[in-house]
Amino acid sequence: NAGVTQTPKFQVLKTGQSMTLQCAQDMNHNSMYWYRQDPGMGLRLIYYSASEGTTDKGEVPNGYNVSRLNKREFSLRLESAAPSQTSVYFCASIEAHNQPQHFGDGTRLSIL
Amino acid sequence: SQKIEQNSEALNIQEGKTATLTCNYTNYSPAYLQWYRQDPGRGPVFLLLIRENEKEKRKERLKVTFDTTLKQSLFHITASQPADSATYLCALTGGSYIPTFGRGTSLIVHP
Repeated sequence: NAGVTQTPKFQVLKTGQSMTLQCAQDMNHNSMYWYRQDPGMGLRLIYYSASEGTTDKGEVPNGYNVSRLNKREFSLRLESAAPSQTSVYFCASIEAHNQPQHFGDGTRLSIL
Repeated sequence: SQKIEQNSEALNIQEGKTATLTCNYTNYSPAYLQWYRQDPGRGPVFLLLIRENEKEKRKERLKVTFDTTLKQSLFHITASQPADSATYLCALTGGSYIPTFGRGTSLIVHP
């Protein structure tokens, strides 16, 4: 039982490059989330998908786009990476709103 | 604005003692509160969930209290062990059903 799987685990980009962070969960959860975690800032919500076919902005959506490809997969895209987007990105999923979140182990992204 | 506060300074304790971590909040009416553990290089892992109408929840050596009047949750680890060393995050969820996380407190248990 893999839970939430994120790829890649590490990535280095140059300013202006684009890339997509992948997230997949095998728990048949309805809702999925993308967070970024920066030192001293805690986890901040970028986008979330309450159910397949829907996406909504979180606290810090600027510079990002998301796609809920199907119930299992939720991807995060950086169209034109900026150094301020250097961070650790976590994907999470949840079965129902009063249940705990299940997190992946993150993607460590550096933008030079 | 909504605010969640966890002690930014690391908590250092001796093995065998009880560790107590605090989560305070303002401008928030949470339906429930959760505690997570995060190890370096890993994602947060769920520990306990407590609802607004519950005062206390226990799981093995862990205990959580939730005081909606004081707007505070306390997280206790009894008989602490070096393996309990990690960062502990609290998260509050209100009517939007979107959890908001605190910045976490680092716990260091010395043998």
